[in-house]
Amino acid sequence: AQSVTQPDIHITVSEGASLELRCNYSYGATPYLFWYVQSPGQGLQLLLKYFSGDTLVQGIKGFEAEFKRSQSSFNLRKPSVHWSDAAEYFCAVDFMDTGRRALTFGSGTRLQVQP
Amino acid sequence: DGGITQSPKYLFRKEGQNVTLSCEQNLNHDAMYWYRQDPGQGLRLIYYSQIVNDFQKGDIAEGYSVSREKKESFPLTVTSAQKNPTAFYLCASSTLRQGGSGNQPQHFGDGTRLSIL
Repeated sequence: AQSVTQPDIHITVSEGASLELRCNYSYGATPYLFWYVQSPGQGLQLLLKYFSGDTLVQGIKGFEAEFKRSQSSFNLRKPSVHWSDAAEYFCAVDFMDTGRRALTFGSGTRLQVQP
Repeated sequence: DGGITQSPKYLFRKEGQNVTLSCEQNLNHDAMYWYRQDPGQGLRLIYYSQIVNDFQKGDIAEGYSVSREKKESFPLTVTSAQKNPTAFYLCASSTLRQGGSGNQPQHFGDGTRLSIL
């Protein structure tokens, strides 16, 4: 069955440090991939997406993600974290050929930024 | 500005009562979605609709109902059959990719927090 896994429930980094949030999926083909960010009590905002082509995609707020087919992964990265990046981050996958015309979300990773 | 409006922001339900959450979009999107968010569980799909007067059950549809009478509106009713309705509810919309396979990114409203009195 198709699934999305975010192995890290909670991550703490220092301001200015680099960040990598992990996302793995289970699927027999290449899906469409998304990363969203959610501030407390708010909706989700799209950071970036991958449909095809270059496996390194750039997003908003200085984030990037790399699709690795061999590892079924789509990890989110940022070279230098700012205090305003503290939020919850969700990986989402569109398993296009299953008849489920909606995204499947991971359980999220909560990012805390230390001064 | 285009966007998705969810109302109310906070809602309280008494035992045995049905309540309806509103979701309106002015993005001219064909597809609309309802998700339930609980701490540590991410977003779980309740219902979705890709066209007016048609909708499909998601992963946790029991105890919920929806309608799609207008393209702009996709209200969610939490019925008394939903025994644990306390959660944060998110509505989203998207266009559909040409050819019907796959979805464009979803746009989200700011959510409704439902609590039980």
